[in-house]
Amino acid sequence: NAGVTQTPKFRILKIGQSMTLQCTQDMNHNYMYWYRQDPGMGLKLIYYSVGAGITDKGEVPNGYNVSRSTTEDFPLRLELAAPSQTSVYFCASSRSGTGRTGELFFGEGSRLTVL
Amino acid sequence: TQLLEQSPQFLSIQEGENLTVYCNSSSVFSSLQWYRQEPGEGPVLLVTVVTGGEVKKLKRLTFQFGDARKDSSLHITAAQPGDTGLYLCAALPFGNEKLTFGTGTRLTIIP
Repeated sequence: NAGVTQTPKFRILKIGQSMTLQCTQDMNHNYMYWYRQDPGMGLKLIYYSVGAGITDKGEVPNGYNVSRSTTEDFPLRLELAAPSQTSVYFCASSRSGTGRTGELFFGEGSRLTVL
Repeated sequence: TQLLEQSPQFLSIQEGENLTVYCNSSSVFSSLQWYRQEPGEGPVLLVTVVTGGEVKKLKRLTFQFGDARKDSSLHITAAQPGDTGLYLCAALPFGNEKLTFGTGTRLTIIP
């Protein structure tokens, strides 16, 4: 019962470093999402994908990049990390898009601190 | 500007009490979901409501979607420590494929 798996769970970066947050799902879902969760601010959509090879920007895409080469994997890359990117990042997947009231299945989150 | 406002932001009550939390907006939505998130975990879907005025019950939890499709409430009867968590509403504006999340209500049930 793996569902959505994110790695790493915790990471500390220095300003200007780069890293990739990994996300994989084993439910054969076409739709995948990356959110960030800041205290008192709810979840903000960074990027999403409706299928392999297709990605699109969410509300807060600046400073991030994604790729979707397979149905299972949706990595999120941070280039030139900044303190404003300190947050908890959640990957999610759904069978149908949220436009069809699809249920989102979330990973456990990746807590990133940029110093 | 926050599209979805949740209130209260924090709520701490004794086991056995009843409570209601709210999710409000000035926008109209085609559907609304409630999620619960426990520390160190991702949110988990509780319910989806799609019809104005709709009421759904999940054991001791009652969810209502406002008649005008702008707001929703979650009522918990006889709260238990296992209800502790962050409750998030998420709504889908008409003509928009992207789900918008509220700021959340952090609920603590004291044994």
